[in-house]
Amino acid sequence: DAGVTQSPTHLIKTRGQQVTLRCSPKSGHDTVSWYQQALGQGPQFIFQYYEEEERQRGNFPDRFSGHQFPNYSSELNVNALLLGDSALYLCASSLEQYSTTEAFFGQGTRLTVV
Amino acid sequence: AQTVTQSQPEMSVQEAETVTLSCTYDTSESDYYLFWYKQPPSRQMILVIRQEAYKQQNATENRFSVNFQKAAKSFSLKISDSQLGDAAMYFCAYRRENNNDMRFGAGTRLTVKP
Repeated sequence: DAGVTQSPTHLIKTRGQQVTLRCSPKSGHDTVSWYQQALGQGPQFIFQYYEEEERQRGNFPDRFSGHQFPNYSSELNVNALLLGDSALYLCASSLEQYSTTEAFFGQGTRLTVV
Repeated sequence: AQTVTQSQPEMSVQEAETVTLSCTYDTSESDYYLFWYKQPPSRQMILVIRQEAYKQQNATENRFSVNFQKAAKSFSLKISDSQLGDAAMYFCAYRRENNNDMRFGAGTRLTVKP
């Protein structure tokens, strides 16, 4: 059983560019959350997708957007990249919105903005 | 706003010994969940243990146990019989009932000495 998979593992982009990160949830999971983890800090919640809709959003600007597909996989898009967007982006999947069961994390995408 | 504080940036323990990692949180909610996650160099966040706030009994998972003090808003993790594989970053996290925004502390780096 494959767990949560994220692609790519590493990415280097130039300031002002746009980037798309991808996440495939654990088999059987229908909810995907995205987190940003800056160096030396804990993860920060960006948003969560359930039933192909953004259900909840953290304190992130509109430059951060996402999508969930019918197969429950998800994309995180970041426009007009800033140097401060450099971070590890983690995807977590779970079963159902507001689930009390365990959320499984992927290994993340390391984004570097230069 | 809910915040999570981990006051120990780094901790060290001798193999086979016991270590306790501290975590405090701030909330006005009565229903919530607390978690300890482990993040090894592979970057994947792995759930170590979870505690429901309504449960008075402290959670245990094999060598891992917590000391949950709801009135003091304290949630410490005790690792017994430490093993080399326990070396990692440990994050304390909080999530409100019916809310998907998981709040993480800044983490504690645990080193295990052979």
